[in-house]
Amino acid sequence: DAGVIQSPRHEVTEMGQEVTLRCKPISGHDYLFWYRQTMMRGLELLIYFNNNVPIDDSGMPEDRFSAKMPNASFSTLKIQPSEPRDSAVYFCASSLSSGGAIDTQYFGPGTRLTVL
Amino acid sequence: SQQGEEDPQALSIQEGENATMNCSYKTSINNLQWYRQNSGRGLVHLILIRSNEREKHSGRLRVTLDTSKKSSSLLITASRAADTASYFCATEGGGSNYKLTFGKGTLLTVNP
Repeated sequence: DAGVIQSPRHEVTEMGQEVTLRCKPISGHDYLFWYRQTMMRGLELLIYFNNNVPIDDSGMPEDRFSAKMPNASFSTLKIQPSEPRDSAVYFCASSLSSGGAIDTQYFGPGTRLTVL
Repeated sequence: SQQGEEDPQALSIQEGENATMNCSYKTSINNLQWYRQNSGRGLVHLILIRSNEREKHSGRLRVTLDTSKKSSSLLITASRAADTASYFCATEGGGSNYKLTFGKGTLLTVNP
């Protein structure tokens, strides 16, 4: 398996522009997570899906952030409009539930976003 | 707020020495997991310990869990330069909360 795939790996954009980050989870996994990592705040969970349905978006910082999962093999995280404080590394992770719990999360390589 | 808090924030040792990292958390958990992150990369799962377990081994890794003290430790024995990375503990909360809450990590440097 190729693991969790994220694109792009690096994104540099100007303030006010729309940014779309993409994720392909591991085939067969039923949970998908979006995280943001910064030096100041560490690794923060933004939103997670179960069977393509958003379960908890309490970590999404503002209405400027939105996430979708139209099917089991694709998810997007969109920021519109982007601001310099959104600069961070964004990770996608997927997991397979068993026995009513989830265990290991498999992380993608991340997208490094820089908003100028 | 962060559930898991690692200690120390940074640790520098010589190759061959053992490295111990600690994690404390605040609320009840289903399990606690340790992850490694090499610079510029995603996180890699190392080991999971469930709330009813006290100790677990995987190769050169040993994890302990003390639910009464709400703490865990990760021991890496006979460290290697390739072990240089950041190490994070993550807790999965009780009930149907499937979120993992990560600490800010311990940066381990193993000098050759």
